[in-house]
Amino acid sequence: QKEVEQNSGPLSVPEGAIASLNCTYSDRGSQSFFWYRQYSGKSPELIMSIYSNGDKEDGRFTAQLNKASQYVSLLIRDSQPSDSATYLCAVNLGGGADGLTFGKGTHLIIQP
Amino acid sequence: GAVVSQHPSRVICKSGTSVKIECRSLDFQATTMFWYRQFPKQSLMLMATSNEGSKATYEQGVEKDKFLINHASLTLSTLTVTSAHPEDSSFYICSAEGRMTDYGYTFGSGTRLTVV
Repeated sequence: QKEVEQNSGPLSVPEGAIASLNCTYSDRGSQSFFWYRQYSGKSPELIMSIYSNGDKEDGRFTAQLNKASQYVSLLIRDSQPSDSATYLCAVNLGGGADGLTFGKGTHLIIQP
Repeated sequence: GAVVSQHPSRVICKSGTSVKIECRSLDFQATTMFWYRQFPKQSLMLMATSNEGSKATYEQGVEKDKFLINHASLTLSTLTVTSAHPEDSSFYICSAEGRMTDYGYTFGSGTRLTVV
C-alpha cells in the first residue's frame, strides 16, 4: 500500500516569513515527486516537480528531496497571503503510465 | 502549455440516473488519462487509469461497472457514473499525461457532482 503522509495543519506563517511543508512516503520505488497547490473548490495546480536528491529552486519555491529518508519538502520564501491554500504532496513510481498517490495536504495560512 | 478541459464543472442529478464527465486535452495528445475523486477535506484518490484504445485499469475498491471509462481518442476520455447514489457525490478530477510532456500531470478543472 503506497502511502504519502503530511501534517494536515493548519500551518500559520507570518507574511514575509518562510513556510516549510513536509512530506514522507512509504514506497521506496517512488521516483517522481510533486507539490501541488489547491484552493478550496478548485483543482490542484502544479508548483514543483523533483526527481533527484537535493534541492530544486523555482522563484520563491524550493523543493528538497531525500530518497534515503523518504522525505520531500517544500519551502516558500517571502510568503504572501495569496499563498494561503492546501499544499498536496504527490508521488509516483516514475513512469507516465502511473497515476499519483497524494497526501492529505497541509493547510497553509499566511497571516498578513 | 498543456491544457486539459473538463466538463461539466458542476452537475446535480437524481439518484439512479447516470452522469457523463468529459476530459479533453486541448493542445497535446494524451496517451494516458487518470481519474481521481476527492471527498470533502480528503485528498485526491486515484480511481482509474485509461489508455487510449484499451480498457481502463481500476484501483482496488473502485467498481468498474459503476464508473465506466472510455478513452476512444488521444484527446478525449469520459467517465460515466452509472446509477448514481448520494454517496457518489464528490469532486471528480481528470489529469492527462502526454507524449510531449515531461511527465507533467496536467489536471482538469474538476467536476462537482451532487446526487440528490
